[in-house]
Amino acid sequence: GQQLNQSPQSMFIQEGEDVSMNCTSSSIFNTWLWYKQDPGEGPVLLIALYKAGELTSNGRLTAQFGITRKDSFLNISASIPSDVGIYFCAGQDGNFGNEKLTFGTGTRLTIIP
Amino acid sequence: NAGVMQNPRHLVRRRGQEARLRCSPMKGHSHVYWYRQLPEEGLKFMVYLQKENIIDESGMPKERFSAEFPKEGPSILRIQQVVRGDSAAYFCASSPRLNQPQHFGDGTRLSIL
Repeated sequence: GQQLNQSPQSMFIQEGEDVSMNCTSSSIFNTWLWYKQDPGEGPVLLIALYKAGELTSNGRLTAQFGITRKDSFLNISASIPSDVGIYFCAGQDGNFGNEKLTFGTGTRLTIIP
Repeated sequence: NAGVMQNPRHLVRRRGQEARLRCSPMKGHSHVYWYRQLPEEGLKFMVYLQKENIIDESGMPKERFSAEFPKEGPSILRIQQVVRGDSAAYFCASSPRLNQPQHFGDGTRLSIL
C-alpha cells in the first residue's frame, strides 16, 4: 500500500529551536492530519486540515494544507522537552466512503540537552 | 470522557493459535478502523467498519484475518493460525461520522512465539 514521504526522517535539535517537517504524496488528498506518537502509545491527533491552502495553528504548532493537495507542512515553534516523539502525517480521501488514512513514514524528533 | 479502549495491551501467542483483539470506540462514535504498525514504520490501514457492516477491507489480508463490529459490544479483530509475521502493534481508531478525524487507542502489541 501507499505510504506518504515524510522528511526529514529524524531531527536532533536543542530546546527552544523551531522545527519544520513536511509530507508529500503522489496523489491528492482532501484532508490532511498530523499525529504525534510516544513510545508504547497510540497516535494523538495534533491538527486536522480540510481545505487546500488552509493554515491552522494549535498552540506552538502550525500546519498547512498544500495548494496542490499533495503535500502538507508542520512547524513547531520554541520546542520543549515534551515535543520529543514521532510525528506522522496522514492523508484522507473522504469521498464515497473512502475514509482510510494513509500515513507518512514519520519524523522522529529528539531534543539534545 | 473515555477515549478509544483496546485490550489486551499485550498479547502473546504461539504459532498456529488464534488472536482476538478488542476495541471499544469513543462514546458516540459509530465508525471503527483497524491499522497495523511494524517497528519503525507508519500505520497501515486494514479495515473500516460501521455497526454490523464492513465498509472497506481493502487493507486486510485475504486469509486468516477477519473483523466485526456487532450491534452490541466491541469491535473484534481476529487472526487465525497466527504466524511470526503477524507480530506487530494493532491500533484501533474511531470517529463519530464521515469526514471526521480519527482518534486512536493505545494499541495491542501482538507477539508470536
